[in-house]
Amino acid sequence: DIQMTQFPSSLSASVGDRVTITCRASQTMNNYLNWYQQKPGKAPKLLIYGTATLQSGVPSRFSGSGSGTDFTLTISSLQLEDCATYYCQQTYSVPRTFGQGTRVEIK
Amino acid sequence: VQLQESAPGLVRPSGTLSLTCAVSGGSVRSSSWWGWVRQPPGKGLEWIGEIYHTGTTNYNPSLKSRVTISVDKSKNEFSLILTSVTAADAAVYFCARQASTTSYYFDLWGQGTLVSVSS
Repeated sequence: DIQMTQFPSSLSASVGDRVTITCRASQTMNNYLNWYQQKPGKAPKLLIYGTATLQSGVPSRFSGSGSGTDFTLTISSLQLEDCATYYCQQTYSVPRTFGQGTRVEIK
Repeated sequence: VQLQESAPGLVRPSGTLSLTCAVSGGSVRSSSWWGWVRQPPGKGLEWIGEIYHTGTTNYNPSLKSRVTISVDKSKNEFSLILTSVTAADAAVYFCARQASTTSYYFDLWGQGTLVSVSS
């Protein structure tokens, strides 16, 4: 199995701050890396797929990058509505594992 | 396209969990995989498995001996069966569509259904 290590596990930032979340895979995975946002009581929402492709309708302040085993999700200017938990997921191989999640709070 | 999970609610320990995901506004015969993900209360996401409309399946090895995912094209739905349930299987279960273009990703999710395990 490919293990996904996500960090930090939580962070607190101010509105307007630049926020970066990192996901590290236990082996290379050909950029089959996705990012989801989940708010309490809701299903996850796809933000980024294939490492860097923004899902339709997702604000452009979200971006993804990376290669090999290290990937990042960046929120260029944090907004109140971005308060959520963020998960990375690899879909290069089965099982299609998720990271442990990063909780983003607003100061 | 919308996905709607059935709601079994409570399952007895050692019993069988059975969920169905109805696909509306689209077809299970599309070029997508259909999957199940679960989330224990207060915890992260766990991938359970996936199925293509041809019947090809992939399962999480940690659950493989207890899981069956099937598709019913006539009803436009897919299903999850999990046997020998324990308290560790209590979770919100999501069904999802896994698009397969240049990559694989869950682009559409059901709202989730809470499954409790208790005698």
